Parts: sequence; C-alpha cells; structure tokens
Amino acid sequence: DAGITQSPRHKVTETGTPVTLRCHQTENHRYMYWYRQDPGHGLRLIHYSYGVKDTDKGEVSDGYSVSRSKTEDFLLTLESATSSQTSVYFCATRGSSYEQYFGPGTRLTVT
Amino acid sequence: GDSVTQMEGPVTLSEEAFLTINCTYTATGYPSLFWYVQYPGEGLQLLLKATKADDKGSNKGFEATYRKETTSFHLEKGSVQVSDSAVYFCALIENYGGSQGNLIFGKGTKLSVKP
Repeated sequence: DAGITQSPRHKVTETGTPVTLRCHQTENHRYMYWYRQDPGHGLRLIHYSYGVKDTDKGEVSDGYSVSRSKTEDFLLTLESATSSQTSVYFCATRGSSYEQYFGPGTRLTVT
Repeated sequence: GDSVTQMEGPVTLSEEAFLTINCTYTATGYPSLFWYVQYPGEGLQLLLKATKADDKGSNKGFEATYRKETTSFHLEKGSVQVSDSAVYFCALIENYGGSQGNLIFGKGTKLSVKP
C-alpha cells in the first residue's frame, strides 16, 4: 500500500458552501489524482497533478479546483458545492509501473 | 477516444462456482491493462495487470490474459469464495509518448457470492 490518507472521511455540507478535501501520501509519488465515483459511472477523473504546482484537468473538472504545494498533499476544492457533487471522492497516487494506489475515499453529501 | 467496456452486473454466484467477467477495450496504441477490486466501504486495490499482448496477469486465484486480437482482458477465477464479493473494475493506460498515463476505467461489475 502507498500510505494514502484522505480527510475528512465523511462530510455533509449545504449547497453553496466551499468544501476542501485533503489527500496525503507518504510514498513520495510524483503523480496524484482525484476521482469521483457515482453509480452507473464508475470512476471519473476530476483533476490530476504531475508535480508540485503542476496540475491538469480531467474528464469532469467543472466546479472543482486543486492545489499541490507539497509532494505529499493534494487538495480538492469545491468552490460552491452543488447537489450534483454529492459523491464518493477518491485520491490516488501512481507508482513506478503506472499502477495506481487509492485512498479510502471521502463520502460527501451536499444538501 | 480510449474506452473500456465491462459486462453489466450484478453477478451473483454460489460459492465454488467459476467466474468470468468480460472486459473489452478500445485504444489508439498499445495499452497496459489492469483489474482493480473494491471491497465494500474501501478504496480500489490493484488485483492484477498485463503490459503487453499475450501476457497473463494473476493474483489470489484470479487470472486475465491480454488478447490483442480480440481487444479483451477477461477476468476469471476457477472457484469463487464469499470473500470475493466486491466490485471489479477493468482499466487501461495508454503507452505512448504523448500520454500522461491516466487510467481509463470501465463502469465496474458487482459480484455477490452466496454460501
């Protein structure tokens, strides 16, 4: 395991409020990813990072921003949460052979 | 674009039954292929992988063979256990210079094994 933690693990928030999810890794992996998982859609890539301060958009990036100021931390921010962003969010890192290691997930509910 | 298609679930089997979960892919180049497993309430774990045609990945009694001619990577297990109940995801990574190496996932197949 790549030593990935996510915080918080569960969060309930109201529509229109900002929310930040944190991913922390201890493996010094260069690449980090944020996915969301929804029934019928599998996992969809939101944003990814290929180094400190280097990030790019994924398939479903609208309404999300990310930041990576240190190798070990990758933050996902919902600037103004909407009910469509209710989901389970997974962080992942990439190892040397392209395999990805996933965190335990954050269940976010937007009411 | 690149894509992965998995058989629809849920799949329900009795313990010791044979398992096949079909996975086919569409890719521009020569991808690496993966199976991930997600147990209830957990994140995804890498189950097995294959990086070139005719490679067989195997782990915990599961196997999958990379078939370039049929663009397939079907997951099989000869005798499933209740503890194999989980969601299984097929995924690919493109292997070419312009690729960022991002995983592309299928939608997942839920397996339930009954005692």
